[in-house]
Amino acid sequence: DAKTTQPNSMESNEEEPVHLPCNHSTISGTDYIHWYRQLPSQGPEYVIHGLTSNVNNRMASLAIAEDRKSSTLILHRATLRDAAVYYCIRRGSQGNLIFGKGTKLSVKP
Amino acid sequence: NAGVMQNPRHLVRRRGQEARLRCSPMKGHSHVYWYRQLPEEGLKFMVYLQKENIIDESGMPKERFSAEFPKEGPSILRIQQVVRGDSAAYFCASSPYRPRDEQFFGPGTRLTVL
Repeated sequence: DAKTTQPNSMESNEEEPVHLPCNHSTISGTDYIHWYRQLPSQGPEYVIHGLTSNVNNRMASLAIAEDRKSSTLILHRATLRDAAVYYCIRRGSQGNLIFGKGTKLSVKP
Repeated sequence: NAGVMQNPRHLVRRRGQEARLRCSPMKGHSHVYWYRQLPEEGLKFMVYLQKENIIDESGMPKERFSAEFPKEGPSILRIQQVVRGDSAAYFCASSPYRPRDEQFFGPGTRLTVL
């Protein structure tokens, strides 16, 4: 079973960029890498996903290593509202999301 | 377009009672997933349903838990004879066309078993 590994926690200062790493060394060649985040007392929300190329959307950027063994979620300017648990996720054969423990991001004003 | 709705948001049950959790997917979404989040843990997949069909229930406990997604109405997660270990947040998510689409999560139902 392919696993994802993330640091338990990270801290950032407000208005600064944040780089959240994820290792997924055993992911298959056709599996997308997904990122979701969960704000306190809320359900998870989709952030971004990608396969091989770097991806950008209004929330974040996703940088995927050339060998696909790791990726980095980039928040360009962290705000207090970005404090959440960030999950780097692979999907099961039926599309279900397989969550790990995620990285708890704290943002300091 | 309203988001995924779950009710109740909070549910308290005594040991041995039944809990029914409801999930109304986003309009036009025919795929529903249920996940459980135990205190201080990540989310674990329970079951995946399409209208009137259970597609994958590999994450469901073998006893006391069941799920349905009828042709009309919300998806229901039913827990019979609840025990304290069932206390958790239960989230449902829906997606529109294919199981590999982005999933939209509801706010969750927090079940407390006394």
